[in-house]
Amino acid sequence: DIQMTQSPSSLSASVGDRVTITCRASQGITNNLAWYQQKPGKVPKFLIYAASTLQSGVPSRFSGSGSGTDFTLTISSLQPEDVATYYCQHYDTAPYTFGQGTKLEIK
Amino acid sequence: EVQLVESGGGLVQPGRSLRLSCTASGFPFGDYAMSWVRQAPGKGLEWVSFIRNKAYGGSTEYAASVKGRFTISRDDSKSIAYLQMNNLRTEDTAVYYCTTSGARLAYSSYWGQGTLVTVSS
Repeated sequence: DIQMTQSPSSLSASVGDRVTITCRASQGITNNLAWYQQKPGKVPKFLIYAASTLQSGVPSRFSGSGSGTDFTLTISSLQPEDVATYYCQHYDTAPYTFGQGTKLEIK
Repeated sequence: EVQLVESGGGLVQPGRSLRLSCTASGFPFGDYAMSWVRQAPGKGLEWVSFIRNKAYGGSTEYAASVKGRFTISRDDSKSIAYLQMNNLRTEDTAVYYCTTSGARLAYSSYWGQGTLVTVSS
């Protein structure tokens, strides 16, 4: 089974900062990776698929990159509404595991 | 507009069974794969199960933690996906989300509001 490891587990940054979250797969998954945002008490929101394709309606300050085993989610200029936990998920071969999450807070 | 509405959650004793339903609308249900994802209280997201559409054989996938106990199925005539959960354990306590993305891929573009399953004596 493919394991997904996110780092860091938590992160505190200032408004306007560039923020990067990393997701590593235990084996190659080409670009079969998605990212989600979950705000406290809310349903997860789909952000990115195919590692770098932004879902319609997602602000352009979000971007994804990577291929193979190493992936990143970047927020170019952190906004207060970006406070959330972020998850990666691979959809290469089952089981389609999630990363453990990265909790992002405002400093 | 895509809508996914879960139902069937509740309080159940360990070892008992429960069936969750996901009623879909706003998209061609029979053409879409469906998934279940759960989240235990205060924990992260856990992928549970996936069913492909008929064009891909309607085949199914399961997380190791539920394999042999849970069964995913679909009724395309009613636009409903099911998750039959047998031999429930306390660690199955979670909010269960029904999700979909499209014809064959297992990511989750659309999510229901979730239904809470509590396994406790």
